[in-house]
Amino acid sequence: GAGVSQSPSNKVTEKGKDVELRCDPISGHTALYWYRQSLGQGLEFLIYFQGNSAPDKSGLPSDRFSAERTGGSVSTLTIQRTQQEDSAVYLCASSSLAGTTGELFFGEGSRLTVL
Amino acid sequence: RKEVEQDPGPFNVPEGATVAFNCTYSNSASQSFFWYRQDCRKEPKLLMSVYSSGNEDGRFTAQLNRASQYISLLIRDSKLSDSATYLCVVNGYQDSSYKLIFGSGTRLLVRP
Repeated sequence: GAGVSQSPSNKVTEKGKDVELRCDPISGHTALYWYRQSLGQGLEFLIYFQGNSAPDKSGLPSDRFSAERTGGSVSTLTIQRTQQEDSAVYLCASSSLAGTTGELFFGEGSRLTVL
Repeated sequence: RKEVEQDPGPFNVPEGATVAFNCTYSNSASQSFFWYRQDCRKEPKLLMSVYSSGNEDGRFTAQLNRASQYISLLIRDSKLSDSATYLCVVNGYQDSSYKLIFGSGTRLLVRP
């Protein structure tokens, strides 16, 4: 499809396991964001990629979280040694404009449940 | 103080009512402002950008007040389908860089 694609849509894991969440942005979009949304809460910024620039990692909550974007397209968010407080919906968004002036197109999210 | 603050609501209004939401932001250097809509268990989607001169899109009107650092969203003739959470989004400065910062959202319930 033409939209932002995320996988898996749902992931249940045990505390202490590692998980990988994938985001396939809209083709040609140079900006890619990861946000986290806990139940009933707003969106928490995690990380921002813009073209070939160094990513803005200032929102990552701990060193258990990391993300990469290969070839300026697909991105993977990795959470190591998951904790119960990591349970949330992880949303990826892409934008055609640099910086923070453009419309964000969101994927449907990956719902992570840590038991 | 949060970068972007919204009244969480819920605002419970009858069909046909006019309802307004405000959102305040803390960084006076913010340049871009948006309203997004999020339906229950769905991803956010852009409702409208907010321009300095204010803008209108059908039943929706957005205003920016830089002096008081708030933006507003007015919905006229509310429809049942307007029930959703409305997220205020600001280009704000946080942790040494500019990024799009989302408010926690205002929940709107339109009843028959």
